[in-house]
Parts: sequence; structure tokens; C-alpha cells
Amino acid sequence: EDQVTQSPEALRLQEGESSSLNCSYTVSGLRGLFWYRQDPGKGPEFLFTLYSAGEEKEKERLKATLTKKESFLHITAPKPEDSATYLCAVQAGGTSYDKVIFGPGTSLSVIP
Amino acid sequence: NAGVTQTPKFRILKIGQSMTLQCTQDMNHNYMYWYRQDPGMGLKLIYYSVGAGITDKGEVPNGYNVSRSTTEDFPLRLELAAPSQTSVYFCASSTGTSPFRGQFFGPGTRLTVL
Repeated sequence: EDQVTQSPEALRLQEGESSSLNCSYTVSGLRGLFWYRQDPGKGPEFLFTLYSAGEEKEKERLKATLTKKESFLHITAPKPEDSATYLCAVQAGGTSYDKVIFGPGTSLSVIP
Repeated sequence: NAGVTQTPKFRILKIGQSMTLQCTQDMNHNYMYWYRQDPGMGLKLIYYSVGAGITDKGEVPNGYNVSRSTTEDFPLRLELAAPSQTSVYFCASSTGTSPFRGQFFGPGTRLTVL
């Protein structure tokens, strides 16, 4: 069964304290892996797409990496404005509709 | 561009009532989606559409219906509301599935069924 899990469920960091969020997946025929940011009361906002193992993408203090079984979202020297829930999703191919499966998210709090 | 807009933002329904959640996008995207998000769970796909006049079921379609008469609009209809439909509903759109450049989400509709 296609599945996406994320850890930890919640993470609390001091401002400037770097860390990583994990997304593990089991899908048949991975077409792509996506990271989204979701602020309270808002819809998810697209951050990155990763297509193949070894690929990396960066945006400000965020860097996403991909292996054959998991992805990491590295946050370097976070600021309070980075506080949000980070969602991981994978696109599984091989069907008439390329299915996108979302993980439950990691809630990040950055304390000043 | 307004992106993806949804109305209403909040709604309380009584069991057995019906309602339509509205979704409009102005990015000329062919693909549109409806998801529900429950606490601690990932977004679950309800219905999707690959273009005007074409819709298909997602993972959790029971109790819902959709139509797609134009590229811009993708309303979600709830018939005979039940407490299990209490959730936050998100509409999204994208250019397509390959290559997938991510989905654009609306702000959501928070629905409570009592």
C-alpha cells in the first residue's frame, strides 16, 4: 500500500537552531516528491518538487533532499517566521491518474 | 491573479442539510482537486477533474458530488450532511500531472456538521 509518513509530529526549535524534518515513503513508481508549507488557517503553499534520488533544492533557509526511501527538509538557522506545518507529498505513477499522497505533516515552532 | 478562491470560509450545517462549496481559479489550470483535511491526518482527495466536463473519484468520494462545466469553476456538493463530514475542505489546481510543478491551494472552508 502506498504510504507517506513524517517525523517528528512536532518540533520546537530555538531561533538559530538548525534541524531536519523527515518524510518516509513507500510507493510504486515514484514520479515526484513535494514539500509544502501550511500556516494556521490557510491552504498549503508549494515549496519544492524533487524527482530523483540525490536531487537537492534550496529556498532561503530551507533545503530539501531526496533518497530512494525518504526526503529531508533541512532548516538552517531558523527564524520565528519559519513556524508552520510542513507537509510532504508523493506522486505515484502507473495509474490512469497519477495519485498524490500527502503525509500528516510536521508542526514546527521556532522560539525567539 | 487571485489564484484559487473558495467560499464560504466557515459554515455550520445541521445533519441532513445540503450545501455547495464554491471553488474558482484564474490561472487557466486544467486540473482541479478537492481535498479534506482532518486533524493529524494527511490531505485526502475527494474528487478531481482533468478538464471541463471530466471528473473522477478520489480516495474518499462518498457523500459528495462535483461538476466541472468551465475551466475556472469546480464546486463540491454535500448531500445529506453527516457529522463525519466535519472537516476543513481545500480546493486546489495545477497545470497537469507530468511534470508536476505542485498544486495551488485555496484558503479552505471550515465545515461543522451538528
